[in-house]
Parts: sequence; structure tokens; C-alpha cells
Amino acid sequence: AAGVIQSPRHLIKEKRETATLKCYPIPRHDTVYWYQQGPGQDPQFLISFYEKMQSDKGSIPDRFSAQQFSDYHSELNMSSLELGDSALYFCASSLEASEAFFGQGTRLTVV
Amino acid sequence: AQTVTQSQPEMSVQEAETVTLSCTYDTSESDYYLFWYKQPPSRQMILVIRQEAYKQQNATENRFSVNFQKAAKSFSLKISDSQLGDAAMYFCAYRSLVNTGTASKLTFGTGTRLQVTL
Repeated sequence: AAGVIQSPRHLIKEKRETATLKCYPIPRHDTVYWYQQGPGQDPQFLISFYEKMQSDKGSIPDRFSAQQFSDYHSELNMSSLELGDSALYFCASSLEASEAFFGQGTRLTVV
Repeated sequence: AQTVTQSQPEMSVQEAETVTLSCTYDTSESDYYLFWYKQPPSRQMILVIRQEAYKQQNATENRFSVNFQKAAKSFSLKISDSQLGDAAMYFCAYRSLVNTGTASKLTFGTGTRLQVTL
């Protein structure tokens, strides 16, 4: 069965640089979520999209933005990167109100 | 806002034994989902089991079962016949069913790290 695909799997950026993370949800899923997980922490909700419209916003810094495209893939854009942005970034998708399935994550390291 | 509490940072169980991980949550809503996710060292988030709040019957998935106490707002996970591969971080998560049809986020607890010993 198709799963949530995230790319890249690993990313190393310098401070003040920009990063773009991509997410391809499970086909026919209508909702995409982005989460940030720091070392030893639980996943923190950033933002979500339902049918390509932003539907909820969590603790996402103003330096970050996201969108969902017509083919339902989503991108998380992160600018002016800081050391504290180093984390595992998960994308998840779900159909209606059912369970969310997670991608393998993108490990971002800011140096 | 909903909160999820996992009061056991770490648990240990011997192989083939049974262990129960605790989770409590706080909500004023009556309709919601509860989930347990497993995060092994690979850090992949894997769905273990889900429970709909309107269902009185406790969910079961093979060796995994839950004890859902709606009035007490408690949702524990029981792992029977523990295996080495069960060693992971386990997260309890809450999802509102209010405004279905829009994206309702998952709220996670802080996790319980489960060790499985020989």
C-alpha cells in the first residue's frame, strides 16, 4: 500500500539559509499535517491543510510557511533558519476524520 | 484546549510478559478519537491502535489492547506477550471529532519509552 512520502530524508543547512520540505500524501487522503519533533520531545503540530486549504495552525514560526498544491502534495518552506530549527519534521495524511499516517520524516540539521 | 498526559516516562517489561502504559486526557468534547502511536529507534511514527470515543467496546489489535474509560478520561495500552521489537517510544494522541470534514490535529502526550528485556 502507498504510504506518505517525504523528501528529502536528510537535510543539512547553514544558519540563515532556506529549506523546503516536500510531502506526498497517501492517494485520496484529503488532509495533510506537518509536525516538528525535537530530540527527546513529542511531535508538535505546525500546520494542516484540508482539501488544499489551510485549516489549522499551531506553533509555526512566522519564518515558516506551507502550502498544499493542486496535486495534493504539500511543501513546508523554512527561511532564516536557526540552530533551534534542527529537528525531525513529519508530514502525515488522513482521510476525513480517520487516523493519520505519518511519513518517515525529514531530519533537518542547521549548522 | 485538549491535553494528553503520559505520566510514565519509562517502562520496562520482560520478553513474553504483559505491560500497561497509561494515558489520561482532558477535554470538554464528547466525540473524539484516541490513538497509540509507536516510534521505534528509526523514528518512524507507526499507528498501533485507535479508539472511537462513542464506542464502549475496547479496541484490540493482536497483542495490543486498550482500556478506555471515558468518564475517567483514561486510555491505557496493554501489550501482551511482549517482544523485543516492541521496544520503542509510545505516544498517546487525541483527535477531536468536532467540525468533522476539516483537518483536526493530533495532540500528543510526552511519550513513554518502553524497554523490553530478555
